[in-house]
Amino acid sequence: EPEVTQTPSHQVTQMGQEVILRCVPISNHLYFYWYRQILGQKVEFLVSFYNNEISEKSEIFDDQFSVERPDGSNFTLKIRSTKLEDSAMYFCASSEQAGARGEQFFGPGTRLTVL
Amino acid sequence: AQSVSQHNHHVILSEAASLELGCNYSYGGTVNLFWYVQYPGQHLQLLLKYFSGDPLVKGIKGFEAEFIKSKFSFNLRKPSVQWSDTAEYFCAVNAYGGSQGNLIFGKGTKLSVKP
Repeated sequence: EPEVTQTPSHQVTQMGQEVILRCVPISNHLYFYWYRQILGQKVEFLVSFYNNEISEKSEIFDDQFSVERPDGSNFTLKIRSTKLEDSAMYFCASSEQAGARGEQFFGPGTRLTVL
Repeated sequence: AQSVSQHNHHVILSEAASLELGCNYSYGGTVNLFWYVQYPGQHLQLLLKYFSGDPLVKGIKGFEAEFIKSKFSFNLRKPSVQWSDTAEYFCAVNAYGGSQGNLIFGKGTKLSVKP
């Protein structure tokens, strides 16, 4: 069964460093999402992406964040200058359809630890 | 703004006990509702979803949920839990027609089933 994959599973970085989290969505999916979960808190929406541009983003997704689909398979989330409060589990998701009826399939997550 | 509340943080049950996990949402319009499960060390998986029609929805692994519009609730149930149901359960909502599909999650309920 096709799956969303994410690398790395765990990333440790120093405050102020740039990190890139990688995701490979399911191959025939066209809509991509990033969510994050700070330890002990809710899973929060960050951004959705379609047709090589951002469809929607939350207040969390500020200028420090960017997303890209550099090739036909990868979908990346970049944090330019990490802060301590960026430490969280980051989940990528993809769906075949847009909007509320598109079932989202989630990857296993990348645990980001900012020291 | 939409929000989702899951009232139980951690539920501990013995095998064969019945399960009900509460989920309430706040949004006045039409919503789509989801329950996701995350088994230890695995990614979020969709258990069941409600879009329209019969408010009693059956999902995988014997789970079901009932949408009660008047109570803004979508509680998850299972008549007899098994040890393998030990996981974290997340309720999520999407405002139909209002977005590209970003999900609003509850904080999750950890279920521990004792053998």
